[in-house]
Amino acid sequence: DAGVIQSPRHEVTEMGQEVTLRCKPISGHNSLFWYRQTMMRGLELLIYFNNNVPIDDSGMPEDRFSAKMPNASFSTLKIQPSEPRDSAVYFCASRLGATQETQYFGPGTRLLVL
Amino acid sequence: GENVEQHPSTLSVQEGDSAVIKCTYSDSASNYFPWYKQELGKGPQLIIDIRSNVGEKKDQRIAVTLNKTAKHFSLHITETQPEDSAVYFCAAWTLSGSARQLTFGSGTQLTVLP
Repeated sequence: DAGVIQSPRHEVTEMGQEVTLRCKPISGHNSLFWYRQTMMRGLELLIYFNNNVPIDDSGMPEDRFSAKMPNASFSTLKIQPSEPRDSAVYFCASRLGATQETQYFGPGTRLLVL
Repeated sequence: GENVEQHPSTLSVQEGDSAVIKCTYSDSASNYFPWYKQELGKGPQLIIDIRSNVGEKKDQRIAVTLNKTAKHFSLHITETQPEDSAVYFCAAWTLSGSARQLTFGSGTQLTVLP
Protein backbone atom coordinates (compact mmCIF):
# COMPACT_ATOMS: atom_id res chain seq x y z
CA ASP A 1 0.00 0.00 0.00
CA ALA A 2 1.46 3.36 -1.04
CA GLY A 3 -0.19 5.27 1.76
CA VAL A 4 -1.43 8.83 1.43
CA ILE A 5 0.49 10.68 -1.26
CA GLN A 6 0.99 14.43 -1.22
CA SER A 7 2.62 16.75 -3.70
CA PRO A 8 4.65 18.80 -3.83
CA ARG A 9 6.67 17.96 -0.72
CA HIS A 10 8.10 21.45 -0.59
CA GLU A 11 6.80 24.69 -2.06
CA VAL A 12 8.32 28.14 -1.97
CA THR A 13 6.34 31.00 -3.44
CA GLU A 14 5.99 34.72 -3.25
CA MET A 15 3.21 36.57 -1.53
CA GLY A 16 0.20 37.00 -3.77
CA GLN A 17 0.81 33.88 -5.83
CA GLU A 18 -1.62 31.01 -6.08
CA VAL A 19 -0.61 27.76 -4.40
CA THR A 20 -2.17 24.36 -5.06
CA LEU A 21 -1.49 21.38 -2.83
CA ARG A 22 -2.45 17.90 -3.95
CA CYS A 23 -3.43 14.73 -2.17
CA LYS A 24 -4.15 11.16 -3.16
CA PRO A 25 -5.81 9.20 -0.34
CA ILE A 26 -5.32 5.53 0.34
CA SER A 27 -7.26 3.50 -2.19
CA GLY A 28 -10.68 2.54 -0.85
CA HIS A 29 -10.75 5.23 1.81
CA ASN A 30 -13.87 7.36 1.72
CA SER A 31 -12.93 10.21 4.05
CA LEU A 32 -10.21 12.77 3.47
CA PHE A 33 -8.88 15.49 5.76
CA TRP A 34 -6.71 18.56 5.31
CA TYR A 35 -4.69 19.77 8.31
CA ARG A 36 -2.30 22.64 8.84
CA GLN A 37 0.56 22.40 11.32
CA THR A 38 2.47 25.35 12.77
CA MET A 39 4.58 25.76 15.87
CA MET A 40 2.17 28.27 17.31
CA ARG A 41 -1.13 26.52 16.64
CA GLY A 42 -0.19 22.85 16.36
CA LEU A 43 -2.35 20.60 14.18
CA GLU A 44 -5.48 22.33 12.92
CA LEU A 45 -8.22 20.63 10.93
CA LEU A 46 -9.07 22.78 7.92
CA ILE A 47 -11.70 20.73 6.11
CA TYR A 48 -12.79 17.17 5.57
CA PHE A 49 -14.74 15.22 3.01
CA ASN A 50 -16.87 12.10 3.19
CA ASN A 51 -17.48 10.41 -0.17
CA ASN A 52 -16.08 13.48 -1.96
CA VAL A 53 -18.54 15.81 -0.25
CA PRO A 54 -17.23 18.55 2.08
CA ILE A 55 -18.66 17.92 5.55
CA ASP A 56 -17.02 20.53 7.74
CA ASP A 57 -15.00 23.47 6.47
CA SER A 58 -15.23 25.55 9.63
CA GLY A 59 -11.46 25.31 10.04
CA MET A 60 -10.69 27.00 6.74
CA PRO A 61 -9.10 30.26 7.86
CA GLU A 62 -10.30 32.60 5.13
CA ASP A 63 -11.92 32.80 1.74
CA ARG A 64 -8.44 32.66 0.28
CA PHE A 65 -8.48 28.94 1.08
CA SER A 66 -10.52 26.49 -0.95
CA ALA A 67 -10.56 22.71 -1.23
CA LYS A 68 -12.02 20.34 -3.76
CA MET A 69 -12.38 16.62 -4.13
CA PRO A 70 -13.48 15.91 -7.69
CA ASN A 71 -13.22 12.14 -7.24
CA ALA A 72 -12.41 9.53 -4.62
CA SER A 73 -8.71 9.46 -5.44
CA PHE A 74 -7.79 13.13 -5.59
CA SER A 75 -8.13 16.33 -3.61
CA THR A 76 -6.65 19.80 -3.83
CA LEU A 77 -6.17 22.61 -1.34
CA LYS A 78 -5.74 25.98 -2.98
CA ILE A 79 -4.58 29.27 -1.48
CA GLN A 80 -5.18 32.36 -3.58
CA PRO A 81 -3.63 34.80 -2.97
CA SER A 82 -1.02 33.38 -0.60
CA GLU A 83 0.37 35.36 2.34
CA PRO A 84 3.49 34.85 4.50
CA ARG A 85 1.32 33.77 7.45
CA ASP A 86 0.15 30.80 5.39
CA SER A 87 3.63 29.30 5.74
CA ALA A 88 3.17 25.94 7.45
CA VAL A 89 3.18 22.22 6.84
CA TYR A 90 -0.06 21.02 5.28
CA PHE A 91 -1.07 17.41 5.85
CA CYS A 92 -3.63 15.31 4.13
CA ALA A 93 -5.07 12.28 5.90
CA SER A 94 -7.58 9.63 4.92
CA ARG A 95 -9.67 7.02 6.69
CA LEU A 96 -11.69 4.07 5.56
CA GLY A 97 -15.14 5.53 6.19
CA ALA A 98 -17.19 7.96 8.23
CA THR A 99 -17.59 5.49 11.07
CA GLN A 100 -13.96 4.37 11.09
CA GLU A 101 -11.90 6.46 13.43
CA THR A 102 -8.33 5.71 12.38
CA GLN A 103 -6.74 8.34 10.16
CA TYR A 104 -3.59 7.83 8.14
CA PHE A 105 -1.48 10.86 7.37
CA GLY A 106 0.55 11.73 4.33
CA PRO A 107 4.11 13.08 4.51
CA GLY A 108 2.96 16.70 4.28
CA THR A 109 3.74 19.68 2.08
CA ARG A 110 6.04 22.27 3.58
CA LEU A 111 4.91 25.67 2.29
CA LEU A 112 6.95 28.82 2.56
CA VAL A 113 5.43 32.08 1.37
CA LEU A 114 7.96 34.87 1.05
CA GLY B 1 -16.63 21.49 21.22
CA GLU B 2 -13.96 19.08 22.37
CA ASN B 3 -10.83 20.41 24.09
CA VAL B 4 -7.77 18.17 24.43
CA GLU B 5 -4.93 19.23 26.68
CA GLN B 6 -1.57 17.47 26.61
CA HIS B 7 1.30 17.53 29.10
CA PRO B 8 4.21 17.93 29.25
CA SER B 9 5.14 19.88 26.14
CA THR B 10 8.72 18.61 26.35
CA LEU B 11 10.13 15.53 28.04
CA SER B 12 13.69 14.29 28.28
CA VAL B 13 14.53 10.84 29.62
CA GLN B 14 17.61 8.67 29.78
CA GLU B 15 17.74 5.68 27.48
CA GLY B 16 16.13 2.72 29.21
CA ASP B 17 13.90 4.81 31.44
CA SER B 18 10.13 5.12 31.06
CA ALA B 19 8.26 8.08 29.59
CA VAL B 20 4.69 9.08 30.38
CA ILE B 21 2.59 11.61 28.48
CA LYS B 22 -0.83 12.64 29.73
CA CYS B 23 -3.91 14.08 28.04
CA THR B 24 -7.27 15.26 29.27
CA TYR B 25 -10.41 15.77 27.24
CA SER B 26 -13.61 17.66 27.89
CA ASP B 27 -16.36 15.87 25.97
CA SER B 28 -17.71 12.84 27.82
CA ALA B 29 -19.07 11.55 24.49
CA SER B 30 -15.53 11.02 23.15
CA ASN B 31 -15.01 7.31 22.64
CA TYR B 32 -11.81 6.80 20.68
CA PHE B 33 -8.32 7.99 21.62
CA PRO B 34 -5.38 7.47 19.27
CA TRP B 35 -1.75 8.39 19.80
CA TYR B 36 0.43 9.56 16.94
CA LYS B 37 4.20 9.76 16.65
CA GLN B 38 5.67 12.38 14.37
CA GLU B 39 9.31 12.20 13.40
CA LEU B 40 11.13 15.18 11.95
CA GLY B 41 10.02 15.93 8.42
CA LYS B 42 7.30 13.26 8.39
CA GLY B 43 3.58 13.06 8.92
CA PRO B 44 2.04 11.77 12.15
CA GLN B 45 1.93 7.98 12.34
CA LEU B 46 -0.58 6.08 14.46
CA ILE B 47 1.22 4.05 17.13
CA ILE B 48 -1.57 2.89 19.41
CA ASP B 49 -5.21 3.63 20.11
CA ILE B 50 -7.83 2.81 22.72
CA ARG B 51 -11.60 2.80 22.77
CA SER B 52 -13.75 3.88 25.66
CA ASN B 53 -14.86 0.35 26.53
CA VAL B 54 -11.26 -0.59 27.40
CA GLY B 55 -9.17 0.69 30.31
CA GLU B 56 -5.73 -0.29 29.11
CA LYS B 57 -4.03 -1.51 25.95
CA LYS B 58 -0.45 -2.62 25.45
CA ASP B 59 1.71 -3.18 22.39
CA GLN B 60 5.26 -4.26 23.24
CA ARG B 61 6.93 -1.26 24.91
CA ILE B 62 3.97 1.05 24.42
CA ALA B 63 0.81 1.15 26.53
CA VAL B 64 -2.14 3.46 26.81
CA THR B 65 -4.47 3.82 29.78
CA LEU B 66 -7.87 5.48 29.85
CA ASN B 67 -9.82 6.81 32.82
CA LYS B 68 -13.27 7.71 31.52
CA THR B 69 -14.49 9.05 34.82
CA ALA B 70 -11.65 11.52 35.09
CA LYS B 71 -11.56 12.04 31.32
CA HIS B 72 -7.87 11.50 30.92
CA PHE B 73 -5.67 9.06 29.08
CA SER B 74 -1.94 8.46 29.10
CA LEU B 75 0.80 7.04 26.90
CA HIS B 76 3.48 4.95 28.57
CA ILE B 77 6.73 4.02 26.84
CA THR B 78 9.01 1.63 28.69
CA GLU B 79 12.69 0.88 28.06
CA THR B 80 12.99 3.98 25.91
CA GLN B 81 15.40 4.00 23.00
CA PRO B 82 16.91 6.91 21.03
CA GLU B 83 14.62 6.10 18.10
CA ASP B 84 11.63 6.88 20.35
CA SER B 85 12.67 10.54 20.15
CA ALA B 86 9.86 12.36 18.32
CA VAL B 87 6.79 14.51 18.87
CA TYR B 88 3.83 12.58 20.24
CA PHE B 89 0.23 13.72 19.81
CA CYS B 90 -2.84 12.49 21.58
CA ALA B 91 -6.29 12.92 20.08
CA ALA B 92 -9.92 12.39 20.94
CA TRP B 93 -12.59 11.38 18.44
CA THR B 94 -15.85 13.00 19.15
CA LEU B 95 -18.96 14.47 17.66
CA SER B 96 -18.54 17.97 16.26
CA GLY B 97 -21.70 19.42 14.87
CA SER B 98 -23.26 16.69 12.76
CA ALA B 99 -20.08 14.72 12.18
CA ARG B 100 -17.26 13.06 14.06
CA GLN B 101 -13.68 14.22 13.91
CA LEU B 102 -10.38 14.05 15.76
CA THR B 103 -9.27 16.85 18.04
CA PHE B 104 -5.51 16.81 18.69
CA GLY B 105 -3.47 17.76 21.71
CA SER B 106 -0.65 20.26 21.35
CA GLY B 107 2.08 17.62 21.23
CA THR B 108 4.98 16.46 23.42
CA GLN B 109 8.57 16.61 22.21
CA LEU B 110 10.20 13.48 23.66
CA THR B 111 13.99 13.29 23.70
CA VAL B 112 15.68 10.06 24.72
CA LEU B 113 19.24 10.74 25.79
CA PRO B 114 21.78 7.99 25.04
